[in-house]
Amino acid sequence: SQQGEEDPQALSIQEGENATMNCSYKTSINNLQWYRQNSGRGLVHLILIRSNEREKHSGRLRVTLDTSKKSSSLLITASRAADTASYFCATSLNDYKLSFGAGTTVTVRA
Amino acid sequence: SAVISQKPSRDICQRGTSLTIQCQVDSQVTMMFWYRQQPGQSLTLIATANQGSEATYESGFVIDKFPISRPNLTFSTLTVSNMSPEDSSIYLCSVDTGEGDTQYFGPGTRLTVL
Repeated sequence: SQQGEEDPQALSIQEGENATMNCSYKTSINNLQWYRQNSGRGLVHLILIRSNEREKHSGRLRVTLDTSKKSSSLLITASRAADTASYFCATSLNDYKLSFGAGTTVTVRA
Repeated sequence: SAVISQKPSRDICQRGTSLTIQCQVDSQVTMMFWYRQQPGQSLTLIATANQGSEATYESGFVIDKFPISRPNLTFSTLTVSNMSPEDSSIYLCSVDTGEGDTQYFGPGTRLTVL
């Protein structure tokens, strides 16, 4: 079942601006992963953050995790047209099965 | 990481027919999964494909409708049986390589049922 909620559902920004999206979940987790999907194709893994971590960086991506609030955020800095995609958070506990959020559709305008 | 391929990449099928989707990984993996993404929706786990034993299905999914094979550690198939238009979705396989719990996804199979 879907345990994650993401907001906003859609986001439109100018190239060069930052994009922030949030993910909330309902149960305990081992880790939380963020994925990108371009135009209904396969998912590209962006970053994984474990339950004992609070912040992680990878290139222009910054992910935070607040387990007390059961929420995570993904920040994309200096956005590019190629960042236009849908972004999903996914949580897992001990069984490796992923539970996905509803996703945020990001449009970067040139 | 893992390189995952799926066949076919897309298909248009008639209702009442069945389609088998293949998932091939470039390395041996223990955990393989099948997900469905209905139009405009997020992903939902169908089942865990177990090597050497029957797949483990999630609530709402049954073996008669979605039979799964896993003959070895690099390959799995998902069959969508007796299709109806409601089965129109993207079907994705994923693997957990054991590299710190990261899951990698195949490119997906876009199925349209008329």
